[in-house]
Amino acid sequence: DIQMTQSPSSMSVSLGDTVTITCRASQDVGIYVNWFQQKPGKSPRRMIYRATNLADGVPSRFSGNRSGSDYSLTISSLESEDVADYHCLQYDEYPWTFGGGTKLELK
Amino acid sequence: QVTLKESGPGILQPSHTLSLTCSFSGFSLSTYGMAVSWIRQPSGKGLEWLASIWWNGNTYNNPSLKSRLTVSKDTSNNQAFLKVTSVDTADTATYYCAHTPLTRVLDAWGQGASVTVSS
Repeated sequence: DIQMTQSPSSMSVSLGDTVTITCRASQDVGIYVNWFQQKPGKSPRRMIYRATNLADGVPSRFSGNRSGSDYSLTISSLESEDVADYHCLQYDEYPWTFGGGTKLELK
Repeated sequence: QVTLKESGPGILQPSHTLSLTCSFSGFSLSTYGMAVSWIRQPSGKGLEWLASIWWNGNTYNNPSLKSRLTVSKDTSNNQAFLKVTSVDTADTATYYCAHTPLTRVLDAWGQGASVTVSS
């Protein structure tokens, strides 16, 4: 199975920060990486698809990037509504695999 | 507008079979390139992809659950189904179904169904 190593597992943040979360794929997954946001008690919401594309309705302060086997989600100028858990997913190859998740917490 | 909703037993005993239904609207599982996926999440933990069923009947299961998983669909009634046999406490989780077209993988999710395995 392809491993998606996500870091950090948690992060203490302040409003207005620029936050970057990374997933490293254990083998080539091309562009087939999505990022999801999940708030407590809610279902995940797709934020980024195919590594770099902003999903419908997602604020432009969110962006996705790829550098080789490293995939990153960046939130510029963090707002309170962005405090949540974030998950990456590779869907290049079955079984699809998620990263372990990153929990953003306010300082 | 795509919507999905999971339904299930809530609680079941170890060794029993878990049966979940995903009822959806806004798309058809007979449309080329369409699929429904199942994902679960134990409380406080990460997401685990379980299975996907595609418009053409092809299914893909997570081998970590060995042969305990079965996915199926009822295209006429816009439903997809997940069965997990021989459940134990490790199967306690919230189970989600998600809209999975080829070009928009997991772009819409149901609200989740909480499942507790307990004697």
